[in-house]
Amino acid sequence: NAGVTQTPKFQVLKTGQSMTLQCAQDMNHEYMSWYRQDPGMGLRLIHYSVGAGITDQGEVPNGYNVSRSTTEDFPLRLLSAAPSQTSVYFCASSSLYRGWNTEAFFGQGTRLTVV
Amino acid sequence: DQQVKQNSPSLSVQEGRISILNCDYTNSMFDYFLWYKKYPAEGPTFLISISSIKDKNEDGRFTVFLNKSAKHLSLHIVPSQPGDSAVYFCAASEDNAGNMLTFGGGTRLMVKP
Repeated sequence: NAGVTQTPKFQVLKTGQSMTLQCAQDMNHEYMSWYRQDPGMGLRLIHYSVGAGITDQGEVPNGYNVSRSTTEDFPLRLLSAAPSQTSVYFCASSSLYRGWNTEAFFGQGTRLTVV
Repeated sequence: DQQVKQNSPSLSVQEGRISILNCDYTNSMFDYFLWYKKYPAEGPTFLISISSIKDKNEDGRFTVFLNKSAKHLSLHIVPSQPGDSAVYFCAASEDNAGNMLTFGGGTRLMVKP
């Protein structure tokens, strides 16, 4: 039972490079989200999806793109990395089919450093 | 403008005593509140939640209290154990899907043996 899997776990990028952070869940959850966590701060919502083909912006979407072509996968793309995007990124999934008042399950995180 | 605030960055308690972690929010539309626990180099793990229609929810050693009029919630851990040492995040949502969470800044709990 893998849950939410994020790859890679660590990544170092040069300013201006692009990359995709992968997120996959095997729980058939309809909701998926990306958060970033910076030192001394809580997690902030970047983008979210309520189902395949549907995405929307969260609190801090600038510099990031997402797509949701399948229920299982929700990749996060950095088109041109900037040092301000140095952070730990978490992917999460949840489902109302589990019942009311459900919780989000988080992946292990991707630690990204942009130099 | 932080909508969810945890004003104590850290808390230290003795093993066996009660730990009380506090959280305040400003958005009246928040309807569902969760507590997550996080160890270093791991993702947050769900601890306990409460809907706005309740004022208390209990699960084993963990109890969450909600005061809607004060826009305040607290997490009580009794008795505290060394394994409880972690960062605790309060989160809030306008729905109960566990989606689109707004997090507080976290409180680092240290339980001393």
